Order: sequence, then C-alpha cells, then structure tokens
Amino acid sequence: QSALTQPASVSGSPGQSITISCTGTSSDVGDYDFVSWYQEKPGKGPTMIIHEANRRPSGVSNRFSGSKSGNTASLTISGLQAEDEAYYYCCSFAGSNTFVCGTGTKVFVL
Amino acid sequence: EVQLVESGGGVVRPGGSLRLSCVGSGFKFDDYGINWVRRISGKGLEWLSNINWHGGFITYADSVKGRFTISRDNAKNSVYLQMNSLRAEDTAVYFCARRSTVGDFDLWGQGTLVSVSS
Repeated sequence: QSALTQPASVSGSPGQSITISCTGTSSDVGDYDFVSWYQEKPGKGPTMIIHEANRRPSGVSNRFSGSKSGNTASLTISGLQAEDEAYYYCCSFAGSNTFVCGTGTKVFVL
Repeated sequence: EVQLVESGGGVVRPGGSLRLSCVGSGFKFDDYGINWVRRISGKGLEWLSNINWHGGFITYADSVKGRFTISRDNAKNSVYLQMNSLRAEDTAVYFCARRSTVGDFDLWGQGTLVSVSS
C-alpha cells in the first residue's frame, strides 16, 4: 500500500494550463478506473473534482479534466485562475475494498 | 445541509488512545459506507479504513490494522474510529469521507487534528 506519487508543486500563470500526474502501480491505478481527484483549500475538507478517472461531478468547472494511461492518472486545469490555488490529491481503488491516495500537489498561480 | 462533522481530536501521549467521531446530516446516513482518511503534513493523504452501510464489512490499511477500530451507529448517524497504541507518526488531520456508489469519496468533513507527542 505505497502512496501514489504526485509532484510536490506545480505552478502556472493565469489563463495557462497545468497538468498534475499521479503515478501508482498495476495493482491500483493501472488495474481500476476508480481514480478520483480532490481539491483542498485551507480550513476546509477536500472536495471531489474528478471521479472514475475522467468524470466531473455536477457543479465542478469544466476547466478541470482527468485522464488515465497505464499506471498514471492526470489532472489538467485549463484557463488557470487565482481561485485554483490549492492542494490537489488523487486516490485510487486498490482492490479488496481498500484505497490508496497520493502525496499531494500544491498548485501555485503566479 | 449535507455534511459530515468530525470531532474527538486532541493531544495524546505515545501509547495512548483516542476515539474520533463522525456525524452525518442532510442525507440518508445508513445508505452509505464511510471511510477515514488522514492527512500527514508533507506526506499527503493516507486512506485508513472503510465500513459499509450496515457495519458488516470493514477493511483497514496495513499501517493501522490491529491498532485502530472502525464502527458505526446508524441510529445516531455516526461512525467512530477508536485509535489505540498511538505513535508519533499518527499525528495528522483525520477526515471522514462518504463513499459514493462508484467507490470514490464524494463528501468529506472538515477534519479533526490528532497530535501524538510526549
């Protein structure tokens, strides 16, 4: 049950696009499409922004998109805005009703 | 309002115990599995435990198996995490999260801080 690997930080200017990677193994990310992404801002709990690798819950901006290839999932934020500055985490189903989550990425809007 | 609210965090000495609570409101609590996830500073999120809607199916992360126990009382819309034999490395913010029908966590609480220190 090793944590999913994410870059510690990613930065971009307003209007740019950034991508955050989430690398697991063939026992979690590579074996299931149940990869989800969460945004966390100070003082608040995480909120889900992507589920099942590439589906957006209702109410989440279409600037957020997800994808998966092999053992790596990715979150792309398009048209970066100041309000997107936050921590982002991925989580994946890992079989036998267990999960594994990521090391977290801080997004800076320059 | 649909929400989860955690409580019970605090400062505890190594080897000590704490019991965290998670209360749900605004939704049919006994329709959902509930999970505990913690955020360790500098290390990200760590999934800890899952309990299904009726409490009959429970799983744990290896890191807490044998030390932590999850339980629920649907009459009180509550899930609990009994934490024993606490270690310094258990210091974290603990979240409860509702598990959706497709397996992800679609609702989280605001977290409760646990600090294990002598």
